[in-house]
Amino acid sequence: GAVVSQHPSWVICKSGTSVKIECRSLDFQATTMFWYRQFPKQSLMLMATSNEGSKATYEQGVEKDKFLINHASLTLSTLTVTSAHPEDSSFYICSAPRGFGANVLTFGAGSRLTVL
Amino acid sequence: AQKITQTQPGMFVQEKEAVTLDCTYDTSDQSYGLFWYKQPSSGEMIFLIYQGSYDEQNATEGRYSLNFQKARKSANLVISASQLGDSAMYFCAGQRGSGGSNYKLTFGKGTLLTVNP
Repeated sequence: GAVVSQHPSWVICKSGTSVKIECRSLDFQATTMFWYRQFPKQSLMLMATSNEGSKATYEQGVEKDKFLINHASLTLSTLTVTSAHPEDSSFYICSAPRGFGANVLTFGAGSRLTVL
Repeated sequence: AQKITQTQPGMFVQEKEAVTLDCTYDTSDQSYGLFWYKQPSSGEMIFLIYQGSYDEQNATEGRYSLNFQKARKSANLVISASQLGDSAMYFCAGQRGSGGSNYKLTFGKGTLLTVNP
């Protein structure tokens, strides 16, 4: 079945540093990927839509310069949290449309970011 | 825009019994899709079931069924014969369009289901 791999699964970093999270579609091509953010005990909030070969589309209120998204190939999208601060600590999860029908999203296992 | 409402923060069910998780939606779209995902404590999002707005029959997938009432704008998830492994967070989500043209999902706040032995 469709598999989306996300790496790292968890990361701890110091305030002010940048962190890169990778999202890979392992057995299918994904021209579009979605990045969500989830705070503890809350719902998933869409951050941005990653488009292969073009700029990402950000949701209202999401800082483009803080959350850099690059969709370098048909199987890889990356999210870079730049100059991370403690309030950026969250669970970041990516998804891509594939499997069970064209409109179902397959999710990665998520990346838990803790900024000290 | 879509709005997904899950009014049950938490639900308890006895093992082997059935449970219904509520979901209502608000949309002006004629074509839309409704999804249920399960999120165990590990964090991964597991797709359970999908219902398109034009589907006349309620969707079923094994022990999961979706009670779709279009007039009431509700898409409740029914889990039959609950198992201990069903304990997790359950999210209802909506998608604009039903033909794959727009994959973005809007999620409800979720319901934490606990299955008691």
